[in-house]
Amino acid sequence: QKEVEQDPGPLSVPEGAIVSLNCTYSNSAFQYFMWYRQYSRKGPELLMYTYSSGNKEDGRFTAQVDKSSKYISLFIRDSQPSDSATYLCAMSKGNKLVFGAGTILRVKS
Amino acid sequence: ETGVTQTPRHLVMGMTNKKSLKCEQHLGHNAMYWYKQSAKKPLELMFVYNFKEQTENNSVPSRFSPECPNSSHLFLHLHTLQPEDSALYLCASSDPGLAGVGEQYFGPGTRLTVT
Repeated sequence: QKEVEQDPGPLSVPEGAIVSLNCTYSNSAFQYFMWYRQYSRKGPELLMYTYSSGNKEDGRFTAQVDKSSKYISLFIRDSQPSDSATYLCAMSKGNKLVFGAGTILRVKS
Repeated sequence: ETGVTQTPRHLVMGMTNKKSLKCEQHLGHNAMYWYKQSAKKPLELMFVYNFKEQTENNSVPSRFSPECPNSSHLFLHLHTLQPEDSALYLCASSDPGLAGVGEQYFGPGTRLTVT
């Protein structure tokens, strides 16, 4: 079983839709949870960084962590074509990050 | 220059060549990382350096040899690679502090093709 599971998609939505991206994990030792966005031919860019269970909001983005269910989500409101990218979840264990495989998101105008 | 830079951006090399990838971070971080990203696979951590000392080698074959001369620079020396080593190689840096790994910031990557 992989430590972090993430549906690779692609997920295709119309502009303005609410997008929900999810990851599940199996290791209770994970401490910090992150979401990265990666555009084609670029390196991953940190979007959200959370520690505790609950929600964290930043503009159109909301990160949600449920440690009891070992489940994290990223919600994007009012999605835009510029949000089209691969979204990677990542979780920290000591001095290492463990990544999901990434979900490809396509927002159509 | 700001953030994390990597050179070259693209590299094509034969299996008998020797080449090096370079990473430089301008963020004042103390930790640097090499990752391998292959299509449809999660990022694979290769090496971790903290304060210039290697603290993690994730069972990487010896044909990959890292070097960290100071906290701002990281190299990956390549020799006698295999076609399956073709991938995007990403460098990252962070300021771990007390929280462990901290927020990692990535460079744009080097797209490596081994022929």
